Amino acid sequence: GDSVTQMEGPVTLSEEAFLTINCTYTATGYPSLFWYVQYPGEGLQLLLKATKADDKGSNKGFEATYRKETTSFHLEKGSVQVSDSAVYFCALSGGNQAGTALIFGKGTTLSVSS
Amino acid sequence: GAGVSQSPSNKVTEKGKDVELRCDPISGHTALYWYRQSLGQGLEFLIYFQGNSAPDKSGLPSDRFSAERTGGSVSTLTIQRTQQEDSAVYLCASSRRGDTQYFGPGTRLTVL
Repeated sequence: GDSVTQMEGPVTLSEEAFLTINCTYTATGYPSLFWYVQYPGEGLQLLLKATKADDKGSNKGFEATYRKETTSFHLEKGSVQVSDSAVYFCALSGGNQAGTALIFGKGTTLSVSS
Repeated sequence: GAGVSQSPSNKVTEKGKDVELRCDPISGHTALYWYRQSLGQGLEFLIYFQGNSAPDKSGLPSDRFSAERTGGSVSTLTIQRTQQEDSAVYLCASSRRGDTQYFGPGTRLTVL
């Protein structure tokens, strides 16, 4: 079945460091890809998404490009801030048809220190 | 409404008791999803509603779990005869048909 694999955490960085969180997927068809973020004590928030190959999703300085050839959707940010400390989840859904459940990776905890 | 709301935010119950968790989706969102977040299993899909019907119940872990949705809006997830392994955060999400899912803050369930 479909699955998502993301790098194990925790990831610990200093402020202004470059961030990469790796995510690869296995899916039939042409899934949509997502990054969700969960700040301490809060619910899941959509960070960015991409719905087809070579699309780049971006938000709040974060970017991820849908790479069909490598089945990847790595999350990057050029300069992290303390406020970026959170758990990041990579996810896919099987397509734009209604009712497709999200399949999540196990989450990567990011801790940024000043 | 402004976002997906869930109640209660926390629920502590004794093993063997029944619990009901409530979800209010974003107004106009016809699709509603329940997920469970636990330390051991990560984020798991439980059930999906389109309107009041549930075409996909494949994620419900046992027959102790059930859910309903009325008026195409509010949904209730019921867990009967709770077990300690049911302890988790239960998340609800809603979307327009085929669109991005937006999540509520979750209900933290603790079974003693």
